[in-house]
Amino acid sequence: DAKTTQPPSMDCAEGRAANLPCNHSTISGNEYVYWYRQIHSQGPQYIIHGLKNNETNEMASLIITEDRKSSTLILPHATLRDTAVYYCIVRGNRDDKIIFGKGTRLHILP
Amino acid sequence: NAGVTQTPKFQVLKTGQSMTLQCAQDMNHEYMSWYRQDPGMGLRLIHYSVGAGITDQGEVPNGYNVSRSTTEDFPLRLLSAAPSQTSVYFCASTPGGQYQPQHFGDGTRLSIL
Repeated sequence: DAKTTQPPSMDCAEGRAANLPCNHSTISGNEYVYWYRQIHSQGPQYIIHGLKNNETNEMASLIITEDRKSSTLILPHATLRDTAVYYCIVRGNRDDKIIFGKGTRLHILP
Repeated sequence: NAGVTQTPKFQVLKTGQSMTLQCAQDMNHEYMSWYRQDPGMGLRLIHYSVGAGITDQGEVPNGYNVSRSTTEDFPLRLLSAAPSQTSVYFCASTPGGQYQPQHFGDGTRLSIL
């Protein structure tokens, strides 16, 4: 079973920040949090990952709570091209199965 | 550097036929995996491999076989296709080090009549 829970869908106005939450209350000390997105029927695309510190790259920011039981992916200025399903995943050891949950379908409203 | 290459992109089979979905990566990644995605659903793990000669079952392994004779290739075999196996199949690979993200192929769209 997936180790994360996400809301099934969210709306965000174009140009605004999109904040996508993820709960991972059973995360263990060596597990990282990863975010991917899937646009239409394409293969999932990696966005960002982190362990306990906040992370930022050219696509997004990842905020992980101090207790590491939840995180938020932030798309700072959402565009219509950000309409996709966003998946939050946790993974620790290199031999772990990588299990996807149902993800959050993000709708960007013009 | 082509990344993860899946062939074919589309396939139609009749019930009971067998076929192999091909997956190849040229990044020397140790970890490879197969997922299926049914309409409107998330990805479900079928089988995965942590290196040549090593495979293991995922969430939905029944009806599928895999082998990993080389680092580059990870074929998925349907022994006797069933309509319930109609889906989009994605292959992914990850470098051997810990905490590395997955790279996905473009998918194979398979219909079983």
